[in-house]
Amino acid sequence: DAGVIQSPRHEVTEMGQEVTLRCKPISGHDYLFWYRQTMMRGLELLIYFNNNVPIDDSGMPEDRFSAKMPNASFSTLKIQPSEPRDSAVYFCASSKGADMVAFFGQGTRLTVV
Amino acid sequence: DQQVKQNSPSLSVQEGRISILNCDYTNSMFDYFLWYKKYPAEGPTFLISISSIKDKNEDGRFTVFLNKSAKHLSLHIVPSQPGDSAVYFCAASALGGTYKYIFGTGTRLKV
Repeated sequence: DAGVIQSPRHEVTEMGQEVTLRCKPISGHDYLFWYRQTMMRGLELLIYFNNNVPIDDSGMPEDRFSAKMPNASFSTLKIQPSEPRDSAVYFCASSKGADMVAFFGQGTRLTVV
Repeated sequence: DQQVKQNSPSLSVQEGRISILNCDYTNSMFDYFLWYKKYPAEGPTFLISISSIKDKNEDGRFTVFLNKSAKHLSLHIVPSQPGDSAVYFCAASALGGTYKYIFGTGTRLKV
């Protein structure tokens, strides 16, 4: 298996623009997580899905952030409008519930200027 | 409020010696704990885990200890090798259906 695949690896955008991050989880995994890594807060859980259904989005910082999982093999995290403080590395991870181990993608480094 | 805390942002250890990374948690509902290792420009990779029914789990050079009464866990690496230099994150989860992982802020280990 190719593992969790995220795109793009790097994204530079101007403040106010819409940004969409993409994730393909490992086939057969029923949980998908979006994390944000910052120096101050470490790996911060934003939202997670189970069987394509959002279960907990309490970590989403503002209404500017939204996430979808239209099917078992694809998820997006959208920021609209983006702000410089959104600059961080965003990770997607997936797991097979009972295994309790999440596998991470390589992340998307987002820079908002 | 950080439910999982790694109070040492960095640690430097000589090759061949023991590395001890610490993690504290506040939520008594947490009953499953994991350690992840992260190299620059890569995603975190799973290292070792422990459930609350145990107080120790070993995997080669890596051992995780859990002290439930103190809400504390630690990762021991013996002997430490230069390839162990990375950022280490501890994570906690509460079984019972949530499967939600809460991570600490990480400790950068330099060997």
